[in-house]
Amino acid sequence: AQSVTQLGSHVSVSEGALVLLRCNYSSSVPPYLFWYVQYPNQGLQLLLKYTTGATLVKGINGFEAEFKKSETSFHLTKPSAHMSDAAEYFCAVSDGGATNKLIFGTGTLLAVQP
Amino acid sequence: KAGVTQTPRYLIKTRGQQVTLSCSPISGHRSVSWYQQTPGQGLQFLFEYFSETQRNKGNFPGRFSGRQFSNSRSEMNVSTLELGDSALYLCASSSWTGYSDEQFFGPGTRLTVL
Repeated sequence: AQSVTQLGSHVSVSEGALVLLRCNYSSSVPPYLFWYVQYPNQGLQLLLKYTTGATLVKGINGFEAEFKKSETSFHLTKPSAHMSDAAEYFCAVSDGGATNKLIFGTGTLLAVQP
Repeated sequence: KAGVTQTPRYLIKTRGQQVTLSCSPISGHRSVSWYQQTPGQGLQFLFEYFSETQRNKGNFPGRFSGRQFSNSRSEMNVSTLELGDSALYLCASSSWTGYSDEQFFGPGTRLTVL
């Protein structure tokens, strides 16, 4: 069965600092991996996704993630944090098969300090 | 193109009542999924509909049900509400040409059960 683990429920960085949000997955099939962001009182917005091909995936708002099969990881990074990046971030893996079901991690709340 | 809309945005019910939530997907999208989001359990998959057929179902009691209409709009119903059903209910739509497709989330319906 597929699962996702996000290390660190809360991460705080200074504005301009590197953002690193960790995600490890477990999957019995080649994984399709996603990062979503949720702002207060809003739904989820896709930041980026990995399906096949290039292991370094670039997304919106300057975020990127690297798929490392040997480490079963898909960590999200951004070189320089901005105040507007403060939100909750969710890593997810597709359940596979003929379904759109996503298995989500528990989320990481990112705080950006001025 | 209009995004995913969910109605109502907020709802207050009392224990034992039933509730119906509505989701209108992005035009042309045939897949609609529902998720429950709570602080304790995080984001959990409820069910997915594709072309009016339930394609997948999460691990929720039978009090939770859904359906999809021919225009792809979807409703979910919760009968005999319990306090633990208080949550943000998110709907997501996808065109679904494969399970790596992006899902577009609505803003959610926040249900409070008193």
